[in-house]
Amino acid sequence: AQSVTQLGSHVSVSEGALVLLRCNYSSSVPPYLFWYVQYPNQGLQLLLKYTTGATLVKGINGFEAEFKKSETSFHLTKPSAHMSDAAEYFCAVKGWGGSYIPTFGRGTSLIVHP
Amino acid sequence: DVKVTQSSRYLVKRTGEKVFLECVQDMDHENMFWYRQDPGLGLRLIYFSYDVKMKEKGDIPEGYSVSREKKERFSLILESASTNQTSMYLCASSLPSIQETQYFGPGTRLLVL
Repeated sequence: AQSVTQLGSHVSVSEGALVLLRCNYSSSVPPYLFWYVQYPNQGLQLLLKYTTGATLVKGINGFEAEFKKSETSFHLTKPSAHMSDAAEYFCAVKGWGGSYIPTFGRGTSLIVHP
Repeated sequence: DVKVTQSSRYLVKRTGEKVFLECVQDMDHENMFWYRQDPGLGLRLIYFSYDVKMKEKGDIPEGYSVSREKKERFSLILESASTNQTSMYLCASSLPSIQETQYFGPGTRLLVL
């Protein structure tokens, strides 16, 4: 079965520091890649997605992610963390076998210290 | 602005009760999904529907059923609630395309006593 791995269930950074959340997927076939964010007591909302074209994708709130086919990765970054970035982040992949049902990673909780 | 709404934010039920969770979307989406979210396990797909009256089992359908009588509404039914069904339940909808984003409701936090 295809899988999505998010390294680290919790990532802790200081305010102003670089944010790096890792996502790797199990297939070398270029899929469609998504990052979602979930703020406390809310549903998920789209942060950014890669479908085709430029491999560096910019999203909302200053986040961006780079699709690296050779590494089967889609890591999420932000140059400078804000307290408001504290949330759960989910990587998702679609397109394996033509399916439009996404496979989600288990999520990474981002903790931002003042 | 697109919207997915869920009938309750918080729900407390007794073991053995029949529980209905309702989800409504206003985007005319063909696809609708029910997930449960548990700490450390991420999102697990319970059921999805790709059209009115059509449904497919997801990864963890046991103990659940669904109903989709109208395009905008997708209901999750717990036939006989059990304590291991205590969880956060998330509804989502999307257009029927690989590239399309899923839109999520705010979730229902269900406690079964």
